[in-house]
Amino acid sequence: SQKIEQNSEALNIQEGKTATLTCNYTNYSPAYLQWYRQDPGRGPVFLLLIRENEKEKRKERLKVTFDTTLKQSLFHITASQPADSATYLCALDPPQAGNMLTFGGGTRLMVKP
Amino acid sequence: DGGITQSPKYLFRKEGQNVTLSCEQNLNHDAMYWYRQDPGQGLRLIYYSQIVNDFQKGDIAEGYSVSREKKESFPLTVTSAQKNPTAFYLCASSIGGIRNTIYFGEGSWLTVV
Repeated sequence: SQKIEQNSEALNIQEGKTATLTCNYTNYSPAYLQWYRQDPGRGPVFLLLIRENEKEKRKERLKVTFDTTLKQSLFHITASQPADSATYLCALDPPQAGNMLTFGGGTRLMVKP
Repeated sequence: DGGITQSPKYLFRKEGQNVTLSCEQNLNHDAMYWYRQDPGQGLRLIYYSQIVNDFQKGDIAEGYSVSREKKESFPLTVTSAQKNPTAFYLCASSIGGIRNTIYFGEGSWLTVV
């Protein structure tokens, strides 16, 4: 089965710096990968989707890369703000139609002013 | 506004009781899901439904039951057979199929007292 690894330790950075979160996976290579943001006590919110034939995707201050050779996705937040503090989850599509997205455990980001 | 509504937000269950969590969506999505999230953990799929009157078990279906009598509704019953039901429960939906971006509700906290 697919295994997804996200750093379970919180990432603490200073406001204005770039935050980089990692999502590593094993076994099959997904056709696409998604990133979600989750605030405490709330449901996750979709941020970005990147396909296997896309190396990079950007949305405002967010950037996602997808390296199918390394089996890794990196999620970057540039010019980070305290409001970016949240848990960020990556999710991978299943190898076969009829299966579910698989979510990682998430990484908590803390941006200090 | 379109979205997914879960109720109640907080629910307390006594030992041996069944409880039902409500989930309603007005997004006209075909697929609906129930996830469980334990503190500091990722999302685990309980049940999903791709069309009305049809649903499938996820990874941790034991002790839970669902129904899908209407497209917009997907209630989850936590039965007394679920030995460790205290958790955060998330309902979600997606357009057209189960491999698309997932939209989540605000979640329901269930505590056993």
